[in-house]
Amino acid sequence: DAGVTQSPTHLIKTRGQQVTLRCSPKSGHDTVSWYQQALGQGPQFIFQYYEEEERQRGNFPDRFSGHQFPNYSSELNVNALLLGDSALYLCASSYGAGGYGYTFGSGTRLTVV
Amino acid sequence: AQTVTQSQPEMSVQEAETVTLSCTYDTSENNYYLFWYKQPPSRQMILVIRQEAYKQQNATENRFSVNFQKAAKSFSLKISDSQLGDTAMYFCAFMKPLKGGYALNFGKGTSLLVTP
Repeated sequence: DAGVTQSPTHLIKTRGQQVTLRCSPKSGHDTVSWYQQALGQGPQFIFQYYEEEERQRGNFPDRFSGHQFPNYSSELNVNALLLGDSALYLCASSYGAGGYGYTFGSGTRLTVV
Repeated sequence: AQTVTQSQPEMSVQEAETVTLSCTYDTSENNYYLFWYKQPPSRQMILVIRQEAYKQQNATENRFSVNFQKAAKSFSLKISDSQLGDTAMYFCAFMKPLKGGYALNFGKGTSLLVTP
């Protein structure tokens, strides 16, 4: 049973560019959340998708957007990249609300130069 | 907003010993969930243990147990018989159920080193 799969694992982008990160949830899970983890910090909630709609959003600018597809997979898009966007981006999936905890992927390490 | 505080940036314990990681949180809610996650160098966050706030009984998962003090808003993790594989970052997290969804609020983490 595959867990949460994220791609790519590492990425280097130039300031001002756009990036798309991808996530496939664990089999049987229908909810996908995205988190940003800066170096030495705990993860920060970006947003959550359920039934192809953004259900909840954290304190992130509109440059961060997402999408969920009918097969429950998800994409995170970041426009106009800033140096401060360099971080580990974690995808987490759950069935429904997630009160039993999320299953996390291994993340995408984004470096903006 | 709910905040989660982990006051120990780094801790060290010898193999087979017991260690306790501290966590406090701030909320006005009565119903919520608390979690401890482990993040080894592989980067994947792994769920260690979960506690429902309305349950007074402390959660236990094998060598891992919690001391949940709701009134004090404290949620510490005890690791018994520490193993080398327990070396990792440990994050305490708070989750509040809402109609619109759920989100985890994480602390800054405690780096645990288990030595031979």
